[in-house]
Formats: sequence, C-alpha cells, structure tokens
Amino acid sequence: SAVISQKPSRDICQRGTSLTIQCQVDSQVTMMFWYRQQPGQSLTLIATANQGSEATYESGFVIDKFPISRPNLTFSTLTVSNMSPEDSSIYLCSVESGTGRSRNTEAFFGQGTRLTVV
Amino acid sequence: LAKTTQPISMDSYEGQEVNITCSHNNIATNDYITWYQQFPSQGPRFIIQGYKTKVTNEVASLFIPADRKSSTLSLPRVSLSDTAVYYCLVGDGFKTIFGAGTRLFVKA
Repeated sequence: SAVISQKPSRDICQRGTSLTIQCQVDSQVTMMFWYRQQPGQSLTLIATANQGSEATYESGFVIDKFPISRPNLTFSTLTVSNMSPEDSSIYLCSVESGTGRSRNTEAFFGQGTRLTVV
Repeated sequence: LAKTTQPISMDSYEGQEVNITCSHNNIATNDYITWYQQFPSQGPRFIIQGYKTKVTNEVASLFIPADRKSSTLSLPRVSLSDTAVYYCLVGDGFKTIFGAGTRLFVKA
C-alpha cells in the first residue's frame, strides 16, 4: 500500500494567480498521476508525472496551464496557472502499486485539494 | 482502454444486498477488472479486483462471467455508510481511467 499526503487540502484563490499543489508519497514509486474532479463529476486524468523526464499530458491538458515537477521518486507538484473560475475543482494525486506495465495494479489516492477560484 | 458502462445511480435500504453491474464489451485478454469506492471529499479507495469467475474479500464480492464482458460488484447487507460512488474500471495497468461511476444511496 501507499500513503499519500497532499497540500494544501483546500484553497481559495484569485483569478489570474497560480497555485502549486504538493504530493508526497511514503514510498518510492515510478509514476505519479494527477487527476481533476469537478463538482459532481468523475475523475479526469490530467497527466502522468515521470521521474527524470517530462510529464505526459492527456488530451485537453497542456503543460503551460498545468506544469508538473517530479524531482524524486516520492514527490511531485502540480501547478494550476493563471486560474479562472472554471479551474475550481478537486485535484488529486495518485500512485499505483506494482512496477512497470502490470495489469493488476491498485491505485492509491491522496485526499485531494479543493480549489475555489474567485 | 476498455470503456465501461454502469448505472448512474441506485437506491437501497440498510441490510439489503446491492449488486452493481458494469459492462465492458471491449475488455482485452490481459485486462483486470477493478472497483473503487469514493466518499464525498475523499479520494477513491480500492474495493476489489478480479480477472475471471468470482473474487471475495472482507468488503465485497466480484462476479465475472466466462466471457468477461461484464462484472457485478456485490455488497452484502449495506449500511448507511456505504452511500458512495462506485467506479468500475478496466485498465491496462499503466494508468487508471475512471468512468462515470454509480451513485449508491442507502436509506434507513
């Protein structure tokens, strides 16, 4: 299993500003994932954070808007840049058990960061 | 990645058994079926995972027919605290992609 800590747990931000969300895992993991969950909706994968290389973004998400850092195997950050009210959402960090392309993996999630942009 | 289809919502009463069925017609040979539970203001939590036939743990059972094109999550004797969203996933093990999920409401 993995224990994931996210900071901050919530924040209210002014439009046009940026917020950096931190994700700390209690064990070394190859890949970390960032999701967004808008109110009443399912989770949408933003990007995969790879240690030692650039993050891989899903369709509809770009690095300029959601820059990601992955300085080591236990830590990652997601920045929500130039925020607008449409960015109000819960942002979640996740890791998966197993290594490499193992099909029977289990995902572990942080508690999420509830962001409100005003 | 195989697409999944689940009922949007379900209602139940305390003490009843709840069965949530998920369709995944395009499941690949090596794919596993995984179910997650999410309470409000929390991240999803792993419930159960299986490949074929039946899997049971302390929380739930998972029934998978021979063709693996569907699966059924069975929650025995639900309580009010089982009110949550339940997600069925058929992933490639590389990254977890969520469908819409099923909102289960358990009433007293």
